[in-house]
Amino acid sequence: DAKTTQPNSMESNEEEPVHLPCNHSTISGTDYIHWYRQLPSQGPEYVIHGLTSNVNNRMASLAIAEDRKSSTLILHRATLRDAAVYYCILRDYRNSGNTPLVFGKGTRLSVIA
Amino acid sequence: EPEVTQTPSHQVTQMGQEVILRCVPISNHLYFYWYRQILGQKVEFLVSFYNNEISEKSEIFDDQFSVERPDGSNFTLKIRSTKLEDSAMYFCASSRQGANTGELFFGEGSRLTVL
Repeated sequence: DAKTTQPNSMESNEEEPVHLPCNHSTISGTDYIHWYRQLPSQGPEYVIHGLTSNVNNRMASLAIAEDRKSSTLILHRATLRDAAVYYCILRDYRNSGNTPLVFGKGTRLSVIA
Repeated sequence: EPEVTQTPSHQVTQMGQEVILRCVPISNHLYFYWYRQILGQKVEFLVSFYNNEISEKSEIFDDQFSVERPDGSNFTLKIRSTKLEDSAMYFCASSRQGANTGELFFGEGSRLTVL
């Protein structure tokens, strides 16, 4: 799977938007971009995924660059509960259905009250 | 909302003992996974399971480890003879579709402490 690069850490003020970047310059045309997060002392949690178009759900938005070499996870109003490690992961949908999700180091987001 | 449940939440064991960690995946899910996370480190893949057999396993998943779906609802991870370095948080996950396009649902984890 293609590699992703994320900042080690970011900080945000509560109730402000947060933009978490992810670079994936070697992404292939069949890679989905997945985001998961891990709250302290909990298991990872799915956030969002997309292929080419921007995606929105109740948790976040995913903005995908036109060349797909980067993407940004957007939390519209950060809350203290959003403090977590955020992982950007690429998955090739052509692979046999059950190849594993591989977690990198992710971005540790701190939210300041 | 349906969730993946894991038991026990914490287990303390002596080195060399056998441990079984249990998971109840979400009921209509077909793909099952075990991951582990040593304190302060990355989440690491151990094994994936589909159609009653292992689909993939990592280098960590050696002969000391085994998985089983004994009764159609539980999914277990057995560590035959625990070592100190097996101390970690173990996460079970399940998904309706494969991990490539589907969402994985993780449990809250079982903390294993090997003394």
